[in-house]
Amino acid sequence: GAVVSQHPSRVICKSGTSVKIECRSLDFQATTMFWYRQFPKQSLMLMATSNEGSKATYEQGVEKDKFLINHASLTLSTLTVTSAHPEDSSFYICSAREGMSNQPQHFGDGTRLSIL
Amino acid sequence: AQKITQTQPGMFVQEKEAVTLDCTYDTSDQSYGLFWYKQPSSGEMIFLIYQGSYDEQNATEGRYSLNFQKARKSANLVISASQLGDSAMYFCAMRESYGNNRLAFGKGNQVVVIP
Repeated sequence: GAVVSQHPSRVICKSGTSVKIECRSLDFQATTMFWYRQFPKQSLMLMATSNEGSKATYEQGVEKDKFLINHASLTLSTLTVTSAHPEDSSFYICSAREGMSNQPQHFGDGTRLSIL
Repeated sequence: AQKITQTQPGMFVQEKEAVTLDCTYDTSDQSYGLFWYKQPSSGEMIFLIYQGSYDEQNATEGRYSLNFQKARKSANLVISASQLGDSAMYFCAMRESYGNNRLAFGKGNQVVVIP
């Protein structure tokens, strides 16, 4: 089945550090990948949609200069949290969809980001 | 605006019993898709089952089945013969017709299976 790998699974770093999270589709090509943020005991909140070869589409209220997204190939998208602060601490999870829109999104295992 | 509603409080289910998780949705689209995902405490999102709006039969995948009632705009998930490993959060999601067909998620249902 379709596998999405997300790395790293956990990050703990100091305030002001920039953190890069990678999302890879291992056995399929994904023209579109999605980045979500999830607070404890809440649902997934879509941050941005990442399209291969073009700029990401950000949801309202998400700072594009704060959360840099690059979709360099059909199998890799990266999210960089720039100059992270404690309020950026959260669970970040990516997904990728193979082919047609009726196909499910397959999710990575998520990244728990803790900013001290 | 499209919307997914999951309102049940946390549920305790006896092992080997069936459990139904409610999901209602709101859309003006004729073509749409409904998904259920499972999220255990470890955090990963696991795809369970899909129902297309034009599918005439209810979707089934092993112990998971979807009770799709289009007129009532509901897509309830039924888990049969619950197992301890079914303890998790369960999210209902609908494919939106815009924004690269992204998913809109409900708030989730917490299920705890007890022996």
